[in-house]
Amino acid sequence: QVQLVESGGGVVQPGGSPRLSCAASGFTFSSYGMHWVRQAPGKGLEWVAFIRYDGSEKHYADSVKGRFTISRDNSKNTLYVQMNSLRRDDTAVYYCAKDNGGYGYFDYWGQGTLVTVSS
Amino acid sequence: QTVVTQEPSFSVSPGGTVTLTCGLSSGSVSTSYYPSWYQQTPGQAPRTLIYSTNTRSSGVPDRFSGSILGNKAALTITGAQADDESDYYCVLNMEIGIWVFGGGTKLTVL
Repeated sequence: QVQLVESGGGVVQPGGSPRLSCAASGFTFSSYGMHWVRQAPGKGLEWVAFIRYDGSEKHYADSVKGRFTISRDNSKNTLYVQMNSLRRDDTAVYYCAKDNGGYGYFDYWGQGTLVTVSS
Repeated sequence: QTVVTQEPSFSVSPGGTVTLTCGLSSGSVSTSYYPSWYQQTPGQAPRTLIYSTNTRSSGVPDRFSGSILGNKAALTITGAQADDESDYYCVLNMEIGIWVFGGGTKLTVL
């Protein structure tokens, strides 16, 4: 069965640069695009970034463009997001999600990891 | 910047039918946006309900259906049950590589 397990969350100071990871199993990771989606406390879901199955294309929401970098290591079945210049409004649960590939939707989700930006 | 709109809240009686909608601040939603719908209960990860406008994800009961109604995407729940009380989010594929969530609808079953 598909499993996505995020890690790397915690309390980070404003301006910090944590890296989140998402370990994938149960499917051929190297064949599917992957996403990061976040949810601020008490707020709705926000799409953050997408990476193509081979890493050749990356797309970002305007709110994180230039600060976040999505990447993947297909040899390790792992998705990453490098988060730089963190702001308080980046505080959120960060979910990784698998792209269906055909219809461009999120078909599996991890349980999320909480990033709290606070001094 | 295009905003995806959803009703902030809705209520339905047990056994009743409710239709939640997903629109655009400017323009109409069509199948070319590949609208998808997700259900989320507090503290849980989202669950995929509907993709590509009207295709149910594996294991989703047939009381959930998707469609285009007028200029919006729609999620209809027929025969609502107590455990359908959740937040519902739509997502539109705005262009290649860009997805935008609606603000979500909090559904109350009472």
